[in-house]
Amino acid sequence: EIVLTQSPATLSLSPGERATLSCRASQSISNNLAWYQHKPGRAPRLLIYDASNRATGIPARFSGRGSGTDFTLTISSLEPEDFVVYYCQHRYNWPPHFGGGTKVEIK
Amino acid sequence: EVQLVESGGGLVQPGRSLRLSCAASGFTFDDYAMHWVRQAPGKGLEWVSGINWNSGSIDYAASVKGRFTISRDNAKNSLYLQMNSLRVEDTALYHCVTDNQISTSWIFESWGQGTLVIVSS
Repeated sequence: EIVLTQSPATLSLSPGERATLSCRASQSISNNLAWYQHKPGRAPRLLIYDASNRATGIPARFSGRGSGTDFTLTISSLEPEDFVVYYCQHRYNWPPHFGGGTKVEIK
Repeated sequence: EVQLVESGGGLVQPGRSLRLSCAASGFTFDDYAMHWVRQAPGKGLEWVSGINWNSGSIDYAASVKGRFTISRDNAKNSLYLQMNSLRVEDTALYHCVTDNQISTSWIFESWGQGTLVIVSS
């Protein structure tokens, strides 16, 4: 099974700053990676699919890039509602698998 | 607006069964594959099972294969998960999730809030 490792586990930043989240796959997954945002008590939300495509309704401050084994999610300027948990997920083969998550917290 | 409302969760003893349901609205249900994804307390997300639009393609995570059965009723806009031989490690919040395609692409587009399953003696 392909394992996804997210780093850092926690990212401490201030509103308005730029956030860069990393996701590394244990083997090449081409561009078959998605990013999700998860607010406590709420349903997770698809942000990015196929590494760089923003899902419907997702603000332009969210962007994704990468291919092969290394991927990044960038939030260009953090809004107060962005301080939550983010997961990456691959769909390269069975089973689809999620990373352990990165929590973005207010510094 | 897409709405996915899960039900059927609860407290159950190990070895017993439970059936989860998901009522879908706000979109054309049989235009999309569907999935169940769970999150154990304090843990990350885990895909459980997926089904394509006409139930012709179904798959499961290794941890539930042989114990769980996914199904759908397109006439009722509903998704189900029959869970048998439940284990303590099945304790989780179970989310009903749409794919973004008619077949299972494993892109999890819209999520329900989830229904909590607790397996404990």
